[in-house]
Amino acid sequence: DIQMTQSPSTLSASVGDRVTITCRASQSISRWLAWYQQKPGKAPKLLIYEASSLESGVPSRFSGSGYGTEFTLTITSLQPDDFATYYCQQYNAFPCSFGQGTKLESK
Amino acid sequence: EVQVVESGGGLVQPGRSLRLSCTASGFSLGDYAVGWFRQAPGEGLEWVGLIRSKIYGETTEYAASVSGRFTISKDNSKTIAYLQMNSLKTEDTAVYYCARGRAAITSYYFDYWGQGTLVTVSS
Repeated sequence: DIQMTQSPSTLSASVGDRVTITCRASQSISRWLAWYQQKPGKAPKLLIYEASSLESGVPSRFSGSGYGTEFTLTITSLQPDDFATYYCQQYNAFPCSFGQGTKLESK
Repeated sequence: EVQVVESGGGLVQPGRSLRLSCTASGFSLGDYAVGWFRQAPGEGLEWVGLIRSKIYGETTEYAASVSGRFTISKDNSKTIAYLQMNSLKTEDTAVYYCARGRAAITSYYFDYWGQGTLVTVSS
């Protein structure tokens, strides 16, 4: 099974900051990676798929990059609505697997 | 508008069964995969299983933790997907989500998620 590891687990930032979250796969997953945002008590929301493709309706301040085993999610000019937990998910092979999550909190 | 809505959660005793429903609207259920996920209190997301679309034979995949106990099915005419959970354990306690799957080369990512339904397994 493919293990996904996110870092950091918690990230403190301020409105207007640029933040980066990293996701590493235990083996190559090509570009088959998605990023989700989840707020407390809410369903996950798809942000990025195929490592760098922005889902329709997602603000352009979100971007993804990477290939193989290392991937990043970047949020430029952090907005108040962006404080949430972020998960990566590999879909190179079954079983699908998620990172443990990165909680983005207000500094 | 695309929507998926889960229902059927509740309190159940260990060893008993429960069936969750995922009602789809705004798209043809037969044309998409449906994934099931769960999130234990205070924990991260865990994939539970998936049923593929009609063109892929509506075959299923399961996480090892639920294989042999959980079964996913679809009734395309009713636009409902089901998660049948048997031999429930206390560690199955979680919010369960369904989501529409978009196919990639070998697996899926998920674009529309329901709001979740809480399953509590306790005596």
